[in-house]
Amino acid sequence: GAGVSQSPRYKVAKRGQDVALRCDPISGHVSLFWYQQALGQGPEFLTYFQNEAQLDKSGLPSDRFFAERPEGSVSTLKIQRTQQEDSAVYLCASSSNRGPLEAFFGQGTRLTVV
Amino acid sequence: KQEVTQIPAALSVPEGENLVLNCSFTDSAIYNLQWFRQDPGKGLTSLLLIQSSQREQTSGRLNASLDKSSGRSTLYIAASQPGDSATYLCAVRKGTYKYIFGTGTRLKVLA
Repeated sequence: GAGVSQSPRYKVAKRGQDVALRCDPISGHVSLFWYQQALGQGPEFLTYFQNEAQLDKSGLPSDRFFAERPEGSVSTLKIQRTQQEDSAVYLCASSSNRGPLEAFFGQGTRLTVV
Repeated sequence: KQEVTQIPAALSVPEGENLVLNCSFTDSAIYNLQWFRQDPGKGLTSLLLIQSSQREQTSGRLNASLDKSSGRSTLYIAASQPGDSATYLCAVRKGTYKYIFGTGTRLKVLA
């Protein structure tokens, strides 16, 4: 596709529910990132993939957060047993591994846990 | 630990003014610095990317500069327009992948 695509755009979950957020990166982009953005704050790093390998997951806030990219393309961020503090916008970005390594972001998924 | 600070946090200017947004970072060992625009409820749109070996980049009415030694970048917007109203975020790339973001500057350009 032309850009990074995320789905769903909005998700309302009851506390305790599991959610899955999808990211379709730009075709051919090796690097994929997930960020979490709380209201009024800058995005915070969650995790990084290079192809299918998850090279850094240091930003995942708890073991309820899990990300995968099994075929090196589409990625899914899963949150188990959601809590109110998980409410945020989840942003996905991708970049090539050549040239200036410019990052391109998707529109984000706004998760509200009620 | 890399920290990124943006000043001011919010800015309101009349249409037509030239303005400067500031970004400072604590660790000068960066790969590149990228400026983004974020409209309410939307994702991030890349505006300008400056590689560590560069001093500035220009796109239309936007000019971004980078001074690695002092840990500073500025985004200059010429002849501001109401359509420029948004939050502007700077992010430094540490190593070859991890971006560290500032908290942004919320800009409002009044017609």
